[in-house]
Amino acid sequence: GENVEQHPSTLSVQEGDSAVIKCTYSDSASNYFPWYKQELGKRPQLIIDIRSNVGEKKDQRIAVTLNKTAKHFSLHITETQPEDSAVYFCAAADPSNAGNMLTFGGGTRLMVKP
Amino acid sequence: GAGVSQTPSNKVTEKGKYVELRCDPISGHTALYWYRQSLGQGPEFLIYFQGTGAADDSGLPNDRFFAVRPEGSVSTLKIQRTERGDSAVYLCASSLTGQSSGANVLTFGAGSRLTVL
Repeated sequence: GENVEQHPSTLSVQEGDSAVIKCTYSDSASNYFPWYKQELGKRPQLIIDIRSNVGEKKDQRIAVTLNKTAKHFSLHITETQPEDSAVYFCAAADPSNAGNMLTFGGGTRLMVKP
Repeated sequence: GAGVSQTPSNKVTEKGKYVELRCDPISGHTALYWYRQSLGQGPEFLIYFQGTGAADDSGLPNDRFFAVRPEGSVSTLKIQRTERGDSAVYLCASSLTGQSSGANVLTFGAGSRLTVL
């Protein structure tokens, strides 16, 4: 089955700096890679996703890049703000799995210091 | 409804007891997923429903865990003879179709925090 590794487990940045979170996956058949943000005690919320037919996607301060050959993808947050502080999870989905279910990484706790 | 609703939000029980956790997905979503999230970890897949049927239950840890979705909408996760190791947040998510080529964006509920004493 799919295995997703995520690094770093914690990341502390100064407000205004950039943050990068990296994930690797094992199943070359995976073709959908979402990122979720989870604030303390709240539900995971989708912030951006990318499908395997593109290498990069951007939405305002957030961007995701995908390298299918190397089987890794990254989340980039620019001009970080204190409200970006949360736990971020990457995930991968293999379409051959029933329901296209997601396999999650272990999470990255991002702390943005004002 | 407007979002995925889960009840109860918190459940404290004693070892050996039976618990039920309920999920009400977004109206019209045919795909429903249960995940378990332990402290400091990512969600782990438990079971997936397409309509009324469990299409993939490969994530259920053992036969103490069971889930149903009798009318293709609300789902109940049932845990028998609870153990302390079952303590976690149980997350439910739904999506429109569950198909990789379609709009299979998962929307999560707020979760049910289960504590087994």
